[in-house]
Amino acid sequence: AQSVSQHNHHVILSEAASLELGCNYSYGGTVNLFWYVQYPGQHLQLLLKYFSGDPLVKGIKGFEAEFIKSKFSFNLRKPSVQWSDTAEYFCAVNARAGNQFYFGTGTSLTVIP
Amino acid sequence: NAGVTQTPKFRVLKTGQSMTLLCAQDMNHEYMYWYRQDPGMGLRLIHYSVGEGTTAKGEVPDGYNVSRLKKQNFLLGLESAAPSQTSVYFCASSYSMEGGSPLHFGNGTRLTVT
Repeated sequence: AQSVSQHNHHVILSEAASLELGCNYSYGGTVNLFWYVQYPGQHLQLLLKYFSGDPLVKGIKGFEAEFIKSKFSFNLRKPSVQWSDTAEYFCAVNARAGNQFYFGTGTSLTVIP
Repeated sequence: NAGVTQTPKFRVLKTGQSMTLLCAQDMNHEYMYWYRQDPGMGLRLIHYSVGEGTTAKGEVPDGYNVSRLKKQNFLLGLESAAPSQTSVYFCASSYSMEGGSPLHFGNGTRLTVT
C-alpha cells in the first residue's frame, strides 16, 4: 500500500519568513502528486499538482513544489509567507495505475503578523 | 456552478441512530469519494466509486455503507452510529485518474455521535 509522510506537524513562522514543508511518499510506480490547503473552517482546495514534465511546479498564491524522484519527495515552498497563509496543508499521492488518493496527516501552519 | 455539495453541514446523533449523508456534484465526474478527517490523522478514505452503480471499500469502511445510483450523487450511510464515528466527513469527486485530475471537495459535514 502507498503511504504519504509529512514530517512537520505544526510550523510557526513570522510574516516574510520562507517556508518549506516536507512530503515523502512510498510507491515504486508512476504517481501524480498534489498539495492541498485547508483554511480554517473550509474545505480542501488544490494548491498545485505534478503530473509530468518540469519537476518544479508553480501553484497559486506564490507556492511552488519540487518533485525529486530519487528521494520520493514533493516538498512545498514559498519564499515569503503572509498571515493569510495560516492553514493546514496536505500532501497527496495518486498512483497512475490506481483509483485512490493517499493523503499525509497534514501540516498546520501558523503565520504570526 | 455549485461544484460538490454536501448535506447536511452539521448533525448530532445518539449512539445507535442511523443517518445518510448526501453528496452531489454537477461536474459530470466519474469518480466520487468519501473521506473522514480526524485530528492528527489527515484524511482517510472510507469508500469510493468509479462510476454509476459501482462502489469500493477504502481504508476505513467498517460501519459505513454507500450507494451511487445516479452519477451525480454519492450517499454515505451510517446504520448504527458509534462515538468513534464522530468526525468531519468530506465528499470529493474527480474527472478521471488520467492526467493528474485533482479532487474537488465539498464543504464537509461535521458529525457528532454522543
